[in-house]
Amino acid sequence: QQQVKQSPQSLIVQKGGISIINCAYENTAFDYFPWYQQFPGKGPALLIAIRPDVSEKKEGRFTISFNKSAKQFSLHIMDSQPGDSATYFCAASGRGYQKVTFGIGTKLQVIP
Amino acid sequence: ETGVTQSPTHLIKTRGQQVTLRCSSQSGHNTVSWYQQALGQGPQFIFQYYREEENGRGNFPPRFSGLQFPNYSSELNVNALELDDSALYLCASSRPTSGGSGELFFGEGSRLTVL
Repeated sequence: QQQVKQSPQSLIVQKGGISIINCAYENTAFDYFPWYQQFPGKGPALLIAIRPDVSEKKEGRFTISFNKSAKQFSLHIMDSQPGDSATYFCAASGRGYQKVTFGIGTKLQVIP
Repeated sequence: ETGVTQSPTHLIKTRGQQVTLRCSSQSGHNTVSWYQQALGQGPQFIFQYYREEENGRGNFPPRFSGLQFPNYSSELNVNALELDDSALYLCASSRPTSGGSGELFFGEGSRLTVL
């Protein structure tokens, strides 16, 4: 059962463009929504995270938008750079949950 | 501050064999979780260890087992290897206060190939 649905699975964006990755969740007990970035041969690294009491969180070029009623959240990468080329995973967890549930991942390629 | 380290980085086993993967948690972290990442997929939760006890388990059979030691390092053991066990095995540690918050610090993983 895929509790966190992520799309698209691959994305090609021109340098300087905006990359947008979308996720939807089912479990209303989730209360923490992180995004992880993974480069080839490396483990995932926490990029940015949001809790459902806010609708948006911005850190540098990275912004999470959160829609609690729709149970959806998205990652926006502004001014995308070739160095942003990586696989991005949305995820969800909740208080008392031992596990983090990950989406399938989006392979982002930023072309010069 | 030392990050999460895993060993070995790569290994090849044959079907039916057993494997042990090792993980040293990040300094100050007492909780260790293991994830399996198949090619082209997101990480899947195997189990978590806290204070040397299993503290939650995902949908994996009993031939997947683990240990946590007093220094918070951990092992993942897989018996009777199957072809589908081929994957990247990720260890992640977390801070004592984060609980199930999802703030995981991953190692670079152990790439297991089962032939």
